[in-house]
Amino acid sequence: QLQLQESGPGLVKPWETLSLTCTVSGGSISSNTYYWGWIRQPPGKGLEWIGSIYYSGSTYYNPSLKSRVTISVDTSKNRFSLKLSSVTAADTAVYYCARHGPVYGDYLDHFDYWGQGTPVTVSS
Amino acid sequence: QSVLTQAPSVSAAPGQKVTISCSGSSSNIGNNYVSWYQQLPGTAPKLLIYENNKRPSGIPDRFSGSKSGTSATLGITGLQTGDEADYYCGTWDSSLSAWVFGGGTKLTVL
Repeated sequence: QLQLQESGPGLVKPWETLSLTCTVSGGSISSNTYYWGWIRQPPGKGLEWIGSIYYSGSTYYNPSLKSRVTISVDTSKNRFSLKLSSVTAADTAVYYCARHGPVYGDYLDHFDYWGQGTPVTVSS
Repeated sequence: QSVLTQAPSVSAAPGQKVTISCSGSSSNIGNNYVSWYQQLPGTAPKLLIYENNKRPSGIPDRFSGSKSGTSATLGITGLQTGDEADYYCGTWDSSLSAWVFGGGTKLTVL
C-alpha cells in the first residue's frame, strides 16, 4: 500500500523559506507513470494546489505561487520536497503531499494517494 | 476566487439523495477529466470519483459522478451522518497549465 508522509518545521518566521519533504513508501517515486504534488489548505479554507513534479524533475507550478516555489525530487531517497520563499502569515496552512493518477499526456490527473498533512504556521 | 465554482453548502436528511455541482469553463471541465474528493473533519482529502465517473476501489456505489459541458456533478444517495464532510471538485486547466480545485461544498446531513 502506497504511503506518503510529510515532514518539516511546524513554525517558520516571516520572510524566511518554508521547507517540507514528502517521503514515499510502498512504491517507487521513479515510476514513469506518476507526478507527485503539493497541496495546501489554510485554516477554515479550501484546497490550493501548489505544484507537482515528475521523477525526471519536470515540474508544473501554480501560476500564483510560481515566483516563490521550488519543488525538487530525490529518487535515491524516494522523496520529493517543497520550498516556498518569503513566507507571510497568508502561507499558514496544512500542507499535503499527494500522488497524481497515471500520466497519459501533457496534463495532470486526479490525486489518488494523499499524506496525512502537516501544519505550518508562519509567525515570528 | 476559485476557477471552479461550487455552492458553499448543501444539506439533506438521512437516507435522501443530494447533488453537488461544480461549474467551470471550456479550458478546464469542458475538456478535461473531473475528480471529486471527500474531506472529513480533521482528515486529509480522499479520492471519491476520478475521470468524471469512475470510483476507486472501496468507494461505495452510493457515490456517483457525471459531467455535461462545462459542469460536473457529484451525487450521493442513501445519505448517512458519516457523509458529513467537505467535498471538492478538481481538474486540469489547459489555459493555466495548472491543477485547479473548486472552493468546496460543505454537506450537512440533518
